[in-house]
Amino acid sequence: DVKVTQSSRYLVKRTGEKVFLECVQDMDHENMFWYRQDPGLGLRLIYFSYDVKMKEKGDIPEGYSVSREKKERFSLILESASTNQTSMYLCASRTGVWGELFFGEGSRLTVL
Amino acid sequence: AQKITQTQPGMFVQEKEAVTLDCTYDTSDQSYGLFWYKQPSSGEMIFLIYQGSYDEQNATEGRYSLNFQKARKSANLVISASQLGDSAMYFCAMREGAGGTSYGKLTFGQGTILTVHP
Repeated sequence: DVKVTQSSRYLVKRTGEKVFLECVQDMDHENMFWYRQDPGLGLRLIYFSYDVKMKEKGDIPEGYSVSREKKERFSLILESASTNQTSMYLCASRTGVWGELFFGEGSRLTVL
Repeated sequence: AQKITQTQPGMFVQEKEAVTLDCTYDTSDQSYGLFWYKQPSSGEMIFLIYQGSYDEQNATEGRYSLNFQKARKSANLVISASQLGDSAMYFCAMREGAGGTSYGKLTFGQGTILTVHP
């Protein structure tokens, strides 16, 4: 079965902390994505990676960075968390441009 | 500019009736794809249906069909014979062409919350 695993379902962090959100897929997919989901705004793309060590900014990259050192793992980093980054974060992967997108279960981050 | 627009924040339908969820999109690409996803209260994203821009027939998957009107740039989801388990958030998404810097990324709409009444 296809599997996209996000390391934490719920996190609570303090303003200014560095936060790592990890995503692992076991399908040998080339493309991986990070979205954030907020009520009324839908899913907005933060960053995506189309191959190992490759990354592209999405629509809202400010305040975030990413790392993809291995094909199966795509990490989202909040260098200095702020309260406006409180959100649901969804990781997704697919085999190529024309492939179906598979999602993880989401990580709900609260920044106090 | 918003590329995917879902104008219905919430919709209500009686069990066993059909419901249409609206989605309009904006792109200058000739080759693109349109998706619908369902997100129940548990949070997982479930793929429902896909329509390619060159597909001449409307996509269907069981009780789901996609009413694709290319000239109007709309891709409405039709759910026939609604069930209580259909209550969820529904997202429309568009994948633009793989050329340039797009890399075929998916852009999502704001979502529509569907509530099915018994």
